[in-house]
Amino acid sequence: GDSVTQMEGPVTLSEEAFLTINCTYTATGYPSLFWYVQYPGEGLQLLLKATKADDKGSNKGFEATYRKETTSFHLEKGSVQVSDSAVYFCALSDGGATNKLIFGTGTLLAVQP
Amino acid sequence: EPEVTQTPSHQVTQMGQEVILRCVPISNHLYFYWYRQILGQKVEFLVSFYNNEISEKSEIFDDQFSVERPDGSNFTLKIRSTKLEDSAMYFCASTPRGGATYEQYFGPGTRLTVT
Repeated sequence: GDSVTQMEGPVTLSEEAFLTINCTYTATGYPSLFWYVQYPGEGLQLLLKATKADDKGSNKGFEATYRKETTSFHLEKGSVQVSDSAVYFCALSDGGATNKLIFGTGTLLAVQP
Repeated sequence: EPEVTQTPSHQVTQMGQEVILRCVPISNHLYFYWYRQILGQKVEFLVSFYNNEISEKSEIFDDQFSVERPDGSNFTLKIRSTKLEDSAMYFCASTPRGGATYEQYFGPGTRLTVT
């Protein structure tokens, strides 16, 4: 079945460092891809999405490009802030009748001042 | 901005007891979901609900689980006889319509602790 694999954390960075969180997927169809963020004590919030190959999703300085050839959707940010500390989840929607989300394991990002 | 709400935020129950987790999806949304996240593990799909019936359920969603939209605003998840392994964070989500491009809006979750 469809699945998402993302790099294990925790990822610890200093403020203003460059961030990459790797995400790869396996899907039989043409999924949409998402990054969700979970701040401490809160629910999941959509960070960005891409719905077809070569689309780039972006929001709050974060970017991810839907790469069909490498089945990847890596999350990047040029300069992280302490406020970016959270758990980041890569997910796909299989485009089936219910569009359920299939999540990766989540990556904890800790940004130190 | 409209948001999905869930109550309670934390529920402690004894093994074998029934629990009902409540969600109020965004008012014009048509598709509803429950997910769960066992501590330290990935978020897992449980069930989707559309047009007053289950449209898909996972292997996790066995006969101990049921969902209901009793009054047009609430969306509930019932676990009939809780087990220790049901301890998890349960998230409700909703989306305005079908289609993989539509964002699912998540509630803040209910932490269920089964003792």
